[in-house]
Amino acid sequence: AQKVTQAQTEISVVEKEDVTLDCVYETRDTTYYLFWYKQPPSGELVFLIRRNSFDEQNEISGRYSWNFQKSTSSFNFTITASQVVDSAVYFCALSEMAGNTPLVFGKGTRLSVIA
Amino acid sequence: DGGITQSPKYLFRKEGQNVTLSCEQNLNHDAMYWYRQDPGQGLRLIYYSQIVNDFQKGDIAEGYSVSREKKESFPLTVTSAQKNPTAFYLCASSVPGGVYEQYFGPGTRLTVT
Repeated sequence: AQKVTQAQTEISVVEKEDVTLDCVYETRDTTYYLFWYKQPPSGELVFLIRRNSFDEQNEISGRYSWNFQKSTSSFNFTITASQVVDSAVYFCALSEMAGNTPLVFGKGTRLSVIA
Repeated sequence: DGGITQSPKYLFRKEGQNVTLSCEQNLNHDAMYWYRQDPGQGLRLIYYSQIVNDFQKGDIAEGYSVSREKKESFPLTVTSAQKNPTAFYLCASSVPGGVYEQYFGPGTRLTVT
């Protein structure tokens, strides 16, 4: 069965610090997709990134970067030079190719960036 | 603008009453989903539909019902059989198949007393 673990329940950092949010997943499928979502205080989830299991290249988008390592079943998310607007709950999610099943979400990490 | 609409934002009901949450999308997506979010629990899947007139139970379907008569609409009814209905409910849509990202609505916060 597929599972996503976000061990960090809450993280607090001071503005301009770098912060890494951890995501560890379990799956029996060889083809799968990983996602990150941001949930600001307004409540709506915002899609950040999708990565398939065959692409282990790290990705950078502005202050955001993602490190995908199949060897450790991890898909970690780093925010560089954090800002107050980054304060949100961040969710990691997994979808297996086989079975056409919807996303399985981790329990989320609440990030607080303090000015 | 394309997107997902959920109404109302806040909903209050008395225990024992059924209540229907609205979800409408104009993204032309075939697949739609309902999730429940409780503090510290992440998102849990209630029901999903990959195509009109078809839907499947998710992990916590007991006490809920859905219909999918139109591509744009996927209403969720919280019945009186749901033992703990107070929660934040999120609707999402996507291209069919789990490999595609889902787009979410703003959510409805339901309080049952």
